[in-house]
Amino acid sequence: EAGVTQSPTHLIKTRGQQATLRCSPISGHTSVYWYQQALGLGLQFLLWYDEGEERNRGNFPPRFSGRQFPNYSSELNVNALELEDSALYLCASSLAPIGLAGGTDTQYFGPGTRLTVL
Amino acid sequence: AQSVSQHNHHVILSEAASLELGCNYSYGGTVNLFWYVQYPGQHLQLLLKYFSGDPLVKGIKGFEAEFIKSKFSFNLRKPSVQWSDTAEYFCAVNAANAGNMLTFGGGTRLMVKP
Repeated sequence: EAGVTQSPTHLIKTRGQQATLRCSPISGHTSVYWYQQALGLGLQFLLWYDEGEERNRGNFPPRFSGRQFPNYSSELNVNALELEDSALYLCASSLAPIGLAGGTDTQYFGPGTRLTVL
Repeated sequence: AQSVSQHNHHVILSEAASLELGCNYSYGGTVNLFWYVQYPGQHLQLLLKYFSGDPLVKGIKGFEAEFIKSKFSFNLRKPSVQWSDTAEYFCAVNAANAGNMLTFGGGTRLMVKP
């Protein structure tokens, strides 16, 4: 069974540009999550998509946005890049959530996209 | 807001030594708990998880963790580590009403000397 895949592996941009990162979930998974792993800041939750809708958002500015397509793949867009956006961006997927009261099902992670902003 | 603490940032052990990595969280309600491992050059992999039931859960590669609700802890253990256990270990918590987000601890880098 194929795992979560992400592209590109590495992305180099300059300050002010836009970056687009892509994620394909495990077959059968409908929920996709994005996390940022920045040096010194650890893993931080960015966004959760399920059935094409944004369900939850972490403490990040609006220039971090994304979407989920009908095939459940997802894009993360980062506009007006800043130097501190340099990080490893991880995508995870899970089966349909148990529900807000039940919490998440197990999230499986992809290899990440290393974004460098110069 | 929930938070997760891993007090050991770096741990160095010799092969065959026993391992215990601490994880404490701050949230008073129902939680789902996870340990993930990141081997050098690889992506995050699930080691074990606790949703409900027996508070002592067993994972892959001989790892286990114990959920102690009264202490808000979910410590990871292994009775005898191997060189191949060298990796970074992350504890993660999902609060039942937190919109499916995982809150991660800062990670513990484990080095096992052969």
